[in-house]
Amino acid sequence: QKEVEQNSGPLSVPEGAIASLNCTYSDRGSQSFFWYRQYSGKSPELIMSIYSNGDKEDGRFTAQLNKASQYVSLLIRDSQPSDSATYLCAVITSGTYKYIFGTGTRLKVLA
Amino acid sequence: NAGVTQTPKFQVLKTGQSMTLQCAQDMNHNSMYWYRQDPGMGLRLIYYSASEGTTDKGEVPNGYNVSRLNKREFSLRLESAAPSQTSVYFCASSEGWGPPYEQYFGPGTRLTVT
Repeated sequence: QKEVEQNSGPLSVPEGAIASLNCTYSDRGSQSFFWYRQYSGKSPELIMSIYSNGDKEDGRFTAQLNKASQYVSLLIRDSQPSDSATYLCAVITSGTYKYIFGTGTRLKVLA
Repeated sequence: NAGVTQTPKFQVLKTGQSMTLQCAQDMNHNSMYWYRQDPGMGLRLIYYSASEGTTDKGEVPNGYNVSRLNKREFSLRLESAAPSQTSVYFCASSEGWGPPYEQYFGPGTRLTVT
């Protein structure tokens, strides 16, 4: 089992819809969770961090964390073509504090 | 603030050549990292420096060396480049080591080894 797993996609959604991206992790003791956006040929850009169970909202983005089920998700409301990118989930594991990235989910927002 | 900067942006090397990738951050961060990103493999940690004066191996350190020159700068050296080191290299930094600190990435270096 990979330490951080994401569906590679592509996930295609129409413009204006809600895009839902999911990530599961294996280390139950993990404490910090991050979502990065990476446009093709560019570097990862931090968009959300979440540390407690529940939802955290920032503009059109909502991160959701469920430590009991070991998953973290990212919702993008009113999706725009400019949201088309690969979204990386990252987790800081317990103990060694390794920062582990998933392989990313490619999102395509169709105009 | 420039954030995290990397040089060069692109580089082509022949097998066996050496080179150093430079990274600098102006955010007064304590921790710095080097990653490589390959298609389908995601970001893999090569080396990291939790604080000035320390460096440690990550997941894929073979064929690389690093130097934490000062708090701002962290360089990655390829002593004898191999085609398997063709990749995109990212430097990142964070205020501290471990949770809850977020990492911020530089623009990357696209390296091709022929």
